[in-house]
Amino acid sequence: AQKITQTQPGMFVQEKEAVTLDCTYDTSDPSYGLFWYKQPSSGEMIFLIYQGSYDQQNATEGRYSLNFQKARKSANLVISASQLGDSAMYFCAMRELSGGSYIPTFGRGTSLIVHP
Amino acid sequence: EADIYQTPRYLVIGTGKKITLECSQTMGHDKMYWYQQDPGMELHLIHYSYGVNSTEKGDLSSESTVSRIRTEHFPLTLESARPSHTSQYLCASSESEGRQETQYFGPGTRLLVL
Repeated sequence: AQKITQTQPGMFVQEKEAVTLDCTYDTSDPSYGLFWYKQPSSGEMIFLIYQGSYDQQNATEGRYSLNFQKARKSANLVISASQLGDSAMYFCAMRELSGGSYIPTFGRGTSLIVHP
Repeated sequence: EADIYQTPRYLVIGTGKKITLECSQTMGHDKMYWYQQDPGMELHLIHYSYGVNSTEKGDLSSESTVSRIRTEHFPLTLESARPSHTSQYLCASSESEGRQETQYFGPGTRLLVL
């Protein structure tokens, strides 16, 4: 079973608009961490934002915010005021305890295209 | 800003050749990871290391091997490359393990085996 599900293979958004990228996760571990990474066409993975399972407030980092709904097991990324440079693949990831280690698992990603 | 380096960035090689993908980090991180990623797909963990002389296999079965003789260096070796090994290989590191620990990634190596 997929531990991280990103149901949107591709998203389009107009420059300066906000966009939400969906992520749902599956875990029975009460202690876990959720991450979002951006991967431009150049290939490197860039860390964007982190949310801990015990965090009471939604994480924010500049134009990025994480809409964390624990009961629904969702951790959607919201990008406000999209810029052309936001065009990239976006990956949701989770770290949960597995076999004594916190091993990260990644979703399949969502391709975001920002158009003028 | 993370300091993690991978060489080569691109490699085209013939079937049967032995190759080593290099990964180095200057942050003194204990944990290091290798991921394999096909175009437009998720990352699959193939190897990781807790520290010097520690190596573990990841979720995805891989014919590659790794070594960790120095903290900063985590090379990945394919003894006999095959076309099925064509992919992007990403190296990452983190300071320690824990649910909140952020991984820092290198720029990746894009491998094409003919």
